[in-house]
Amino acid sequence: DQQVKQNSPSLSVQEGRISILNCDYTNSMFDYFLWYKKYPAEGPTFLISISSIKDKNEDGRFTVFLNKSAKHLSLHIVPSQPGDSAVYFCAASAWGQNFVFGPGTRLSVLP
Amino acid sequence: DSGVTQTPKHLITATGQRVTLRCSPRSGDLSVYWYQQSLDQGLQFLIQYYNGEERAKGNILERFSAQQFPDLHSELNLSSLELGDSALYFCASSGRPGGQSYNEQFFGPGTRLTVL
Repeated sequence: DQQVKQNSPSLSVQEGRISILNCDYTNSMFDYFLWYKKYPAEGPTFLISISSIKDKNEDGRFTVFLNKSAKHLSLHIVPSQPGDSAVYFCAASAWGQNFVFGPGTRLSVLP
Repeated sequence: DSGVTQTPKHLITATGQRVTLRCSPRSGDLSVYWYQQSLDQGLQFLIQYYNGEERAKGNILERFSAQQFPDLHSELNLSSLELGDSALYFCASSGRPGGQSYNEQFFGPGTRLTVL
């Protein structure tokens, strides 16, 4: 039973356009959500996070939106750059424990 | 560089064998997490230690065990290895006291285990 789902295994976007990566979760006890980026042969790198008391968090080109009623979050990257091409993992936790990761979405930003 | 180190980088062994993976967390981090990433799969949480004590357990097999030592480094022991245990094993750390990034995990580069 996947508690964190990323239903798009891959996504291709033109450079300069917006990338939108989606994530759905089932456990209503999750109160903290994170996005990680992973390049090949490297460990995941923290990107941005959001607490369940917020509905939006912004950091430069990256914005995460949380819709608690829909149990859905999304990561927006604007504008997308070729260096953003990587696998993006959505993760969720309850009380800072038992982090659950989604299967990842591979983003390709085309020049 | 996340500040988390893992050794070895690669490990090739045979079925039935036992291996130990090592992780050194970022300086000051008290929590260590272990994850398994099989081919084309997401990160599967295995186990978490906090300041030497087991804090949370995920999908960790009984053949696997871990510990965190007084100097906060951690080891993941995998025994009676099977072909299906071939995967990338990541260690992450978090929990720098007083840090605003308490919930962020910083990942090491991983250990690639191949069981033949």
